[in-house]
Amino acid sequence: KAGVTQTPRYLIKTRGQQVTLSCSPISGHRSVSWYQQTPGQGLQFLFEYFSETQRNKGNFPGRFSGRQFSNSRSEMNVSTLELGDSALYLCASVPGGGTEAFFGQGTRLTVV
Amino acid sequence: KNEVEQSPQNLTAQEGEFITINCSYSVGISALHWLQQHPGGGIVSLFMLSSGKKKHGRLIATINIQEKHSSLHITASHPRDSAVYICAVSNTGTASKLTFGTGTRLQVTL
Repeated sequence: KAGVTQTPRYLIKTRGQQVTLSCSPISGHRSVSWYQQTPGQGLQFLFEYFSETQRNKGNFPGRFSGRQFSNSRSEMNVSTLELGDSALYLCASVPGGGTEAFFGQGTRLTVV
Repeated sequence: KNEVEQSPQNLTAQEGEFITINCSYSVGISALHWLQQHPGGGIVSLFMLSSGKKKHGRLIATINIQEKHSSLHITASHPRDSAVYICAVSNTGTASKLTFGTGTRLQVTL
């Protein structure tokens, strides 16, 4: 069974640009959550999508958005990038019953 | 004060030593998770606990709901156990929205 796949693995963007990250969950998992990890703030919850609907949202500005497609694949978008958005972005898929999160390898975003 | 506190932040041990990492939380939870993160970023779920104790190989996790405290123990530590161990809690009934501790960086030397 394939794991959670995140693309791309590494990304360098310039301040002011926008970026889209992709996450393909494990087959059959309908819940996808996104997290940001930085040295200063650690791991923080961004949002969760379930069956194409945002079910939970963390405390991040509106520049951070996401969506989920009918095949459960999810994308997150960050607009007007700031230097502080440099981070490892992780997605996790959760099966029905929801007892365990399966994480992808992450996308490391560097904003210059 | 963070909702999830871990100690110690850093831990160095010699191969074979018994290791304990502690986690305290201040909010109501439906479950507590122990995660392992290796250099490079990937995170693996080790345990999900809502009560009692779980064991997997050399790893043991316990939780005391009344005291809002959990511990992760590693018996007979090995250099391959070197990683960051993260405690996380969920309060939605699923693992889809986690609140994390700051992590414990463990290095096991020969």
